[in-house]
Amino acid sequence: AQKITQTQPGMFVQEKEAVTLDCTYDTSDQSYGLFWYKQPSSGEMIFLIYQGSYDEQNATEGRYSLNFQKARKSANLVISASQLGDSAMYFCAFQGGSEKLVFGKGTKLTVNP
Amino acid sequence: DGGITQSPKYLFRKEGQNVTLSCEQNLNHDAMYWYRQDPGQGLRLIYYSQIVNDFQKGDIAEGYSVSREKKESFPLTVTSAQKNPTAFYLCASSIEVGRAYYNEQFFGPGTRLTVL
Repeated sequence: AQKITQTQPGMFVQEKEAVTLDCTYDTSDQSYGLFWYKQPSSGEMIFLIYQGSYDEQNATEGRYSLNFQKARKSANLVISASQLGDSAMYFCAFQGGSEKLVFGKGTKLTVNP
Repeated sequence: DGGITQSPKYLFRKEGQNVTLSCEQNLNHDAMYWYRQDPGQGLRLIYYSQIVNDFQKGDIAEGYSVSREKKESFPLTVTSAQKNPTAFYLCASSIEVGRAYYNEQFFGPGTRLTVL
């Protein structure tokens, strides 16, 4: 079974600085996808970025980028120029052959003014 | 506007009562999912449905039941057999099954269930 690990329960960053949220996964699948979601205190899950296992380029979406290291089985989320509104829970999720999403336990990010 | 609605936002029930959580989507998505989230935890899959009149158990299906009579609707019933039902419940949908690994799931706003 696939396993997703987010080792940072909480992270703090100063406004306007960059921050990296870690995500590692364990799978024997050759084809898979990795997702990052943001969950504000209101509870809804907001899709941020996707990386496919065969994508040659690291995914980017505005201030979000994904540092994908396939050999190390890591898919870290980088948020540049942090804003106060970035304070939230962030979840990494894996999708393999079963097409179900497997979520990590999340990282709580706090952006300080 | 297309999206997923869940109702109610907050739900209180007495122990031993069954309760049904609503999930409706107007995105014309084939697949729908129910997740449970406990404090400090990620999401765990309860049930999912890939097509009308068909559904499969997820990782924590015991004490829950679902139906999928219409494409737009995927209600979840929390039965009295669920030992610890107090949690945040999220419904999601995705466009189709079998699409090659870009099967983004769209989430509803969630229902917070508290059993007294």
